[in-house]
Amino acid sequence: AQRVTQPEKLLSVFKGAPVELKCNYSYSGSPELFWYVQYSRQRLQLLLRHISRESIKGFTADLNKGETSFHLKKPFAQEEDSAMYYCALGVYAGNMLTFGGGTRLMVKP
Amino acid sequence: DTAVSQTPKYLVTQMGNDKSIKCEQNLGHDTMYWYKQDSKKFLKIMFSYNNKELIINETVPNRFSPKSPDKAHLNLHINSLELGDSAVYFCASSQDLVGEQFFGPGTRLTVL
Repeated sequence: AQRVTQPEKLLSVFKGAPVELKCNYSYSGSPELFWYVQYSRQRLQLLLRHISRESIKGFTADLNKGETSFHLKKPFAQEEDSAMYYCALGVYAGNMLTFGGGTRLMVKP
Repeated sequence: DTAVSQTPKYLVTQMGNDKSIKCEQNLGHDTMYWYKQDSKKFLKIMFSYNNKELIINETVPNRFSPKSPDKAHLNLHINSLELGDSAVYFCASSQDLVGEQFFGPGTRLTVL
């Protein structure tokens, strides 16, 4: 069965500092990885997916199959990045997502 | 313009009751889902429903049943509610079986 692990429940950084939210997965098939974000009082929304290889709001994530990781990175954190971030693994049967436990990012001024 | 909506937002009920949560999407999507978020913020897929095909996460008790009156709706029925069913339930939809999922605002269920 697939599994997604986000080892940090809380990550606190200062504005302008680099940030890396860790995500590791286990899955025997070909993975499709996503990062979802939930800002305060807003619904969960897609931030980026590995197949699109794009940078959203300055965030990037690279799929490393050797290390089974999909860490989310941003070189200079902003206060508006403060939110709950979820890493998710998609399986083709039913497009059902397996989520990690989430990491709360707090960016301090 | 709410894309995915859920009602009610909050639901408080007694153990043993039967309750339903409604979900509607106005995006014209073909696939809808239900997720459960527990007190530790873990999000778990419960169901995926596409073109009358239901895929069930094997860990979901059969007290939970999704019902889709039409493509825009996927309601969640829960029979014989238990304390452990207390959670936030999220509905989501996607264009197809590989598309981005759009989430509803969630329904907080509390079983007393």
